[in-house]
Amino acid sequence: EVQLVESGGGLVQPGGSLRLSCAASGFTFRTSEMTWVRQAPGKGLEWISYISSSGGATSYRDSVKGRFTILRENDKNSLDLQMDSLRAEDTAVYYCARVISWDHFDVWGTGTTVIVSS
Amino acid sequence: SSELTQDPAVSVVLGQTVRITCQGDSLRDYYASWYQQKPGQAPVLVMSGYSNRPSGSPDRFSGSRSGNTASLTITGAQAEDEADYYCKSRDTSGDHLAWVFGGGTKVTVL
Repeated sequence: EVQLVESGGGLVQPGGSLRLSCAASGFTFRTSEMTWVRQAPGKGLEWISYISSSGGATSYRDSVKGRFTILRENDKNSLDLQMDSLRAEDTAVYYCARVISWDHFDVWGTGTTVIVSS
Repeated sequence: SSELTQDPAVSVVLGQTVRITCQGDSLRDYYASWYQQKPGQAPVLVMSGYSNRPSGSPDRFSGSRSGNTASLTITGAQAEDEADYYCKSRDTSGDHLAWVFGGGTKVTVL
């Protein structure tokens, strides 16, 4: 079964850091491009970051550039999102997803919740 | 950044047809993909490309595009189709690979 499972969410103070992980199974992770999407409470979906299959290419939305880092370990079938200098507006459910042909996201995880609050 | 505009909400009578639209300049060059999200659940891909349904997506879902508008049509809506629907396409405003989601359309089945 193709599956993505996120972990690492929690409560963090403004300015703090958190590292999210996404464990992949049921497909060839090392040849798959991946992405992170978030959803603030009661709001819509927001794309935040992308990484190529090798990890050699990454991209970010402007609001997280310089604060978030997307990484992957293909040997461990794992995708991470290192989040630094967190702000209240980063509070959201964070989803990892598989990217197909730079076009659509065909498999999604169940999400992990990040709350940034003092 | 690029923008995709969706109607916030639409309603449809059980068994009837509803069209959900998504407008944006990037849709002239890139297809939209569509995601269904039910309360408390992760999004699920229901349509990509011109009208490509992933396995598991019911055949009552279809997609189309005209100019800067993409549409997702549900023909013979069922109670289980009540959900939020998001379109997504490439964000063409910058020089790096990026995507943008529409604001979402809440579909109510009456």
